[in-house]
Amino acid sequence: GNSVTQMEGPVTLSEEAFLTINCTYTATGYPSLFWYVQYPGEGLQLLLKATKADDKGSNKGFEATYRKETTSFHLEKGSVQVSDSAVYFCALSRSSSASKIIFGSGTRLSIRP
Amino acid sequence: GAVVSQHPSWVICKSGTSVKIECRSLDFQATTMFWYRQFPKQSLMLMATSNEGSKATYEQGVEKDKFLINHASLTLSTLTVTSAHPEDSSFYICSAGGLAGGPSTDTQYFGPGTRLTVL
Repeated sequence: GNSVTQMEGPVTLSEEAFLTINCTYTATGYPSLFWYVQYPGEGLQLLLKATKADDKGSNKGFEATYRKETTSFHLEKGSVQVSDSAVYFCALSRSSSASKIIFGSGTRLSIRP
Repeated sequence: GAVVSQHPSWVICKSGTSVKIECRSLDFQATTMFWYRQFPKQSLMLMATSNEGSKATYEQGVEKDKFLINHASLTLSTLTVTSAHPEDSSFYICSAGGLAGGPSTDTQYFGPGTRLTVL
């Protein structure tokens, strides 16, 4: 079946450090891939998405590239800020908003000033 | 655009009472809404898929008689936790999928969540 595996946290970095959160997936066909972010006490916000192979999603300095050959969608940011502290979820769904979203377990990111 | 609201944002109730949570898509129409449950420091668990005008589809292990879902219009779905018990305390999150012509049809938009505490 479909599944998402992402690196376990927590991840603690200093401000301005480079961030990578690994995510790999298992799916039939060509799913859409997402990164969602959850700030403390809040619901999920869509951070970025990619809907086909080699697409790069980007937002707020974060990037992730849909790699079909490695079934990966790693999240990266060149210089993190304290305000990036949150839980990040990698997810996939079929290419329809009426489809189930399969979430990874989440990675908690803490940024030290 | 693509805003989803939930009401209430938090609720405290006594054991044995029922609690209703509303999920609204404010600026688009959604034929499909989803209800999730999230335990502390864990990922989201899909409870059910709600389609406007039809019965909800529940995931395995979710009691449909305990978690009543109604999707009466293209902008409103409700989740009622009946005869709540302390183990039902959790963060409940809904999401909505857009119709063609609205927000992206491959993306769901999430509400801010409702924290339920059952005493």
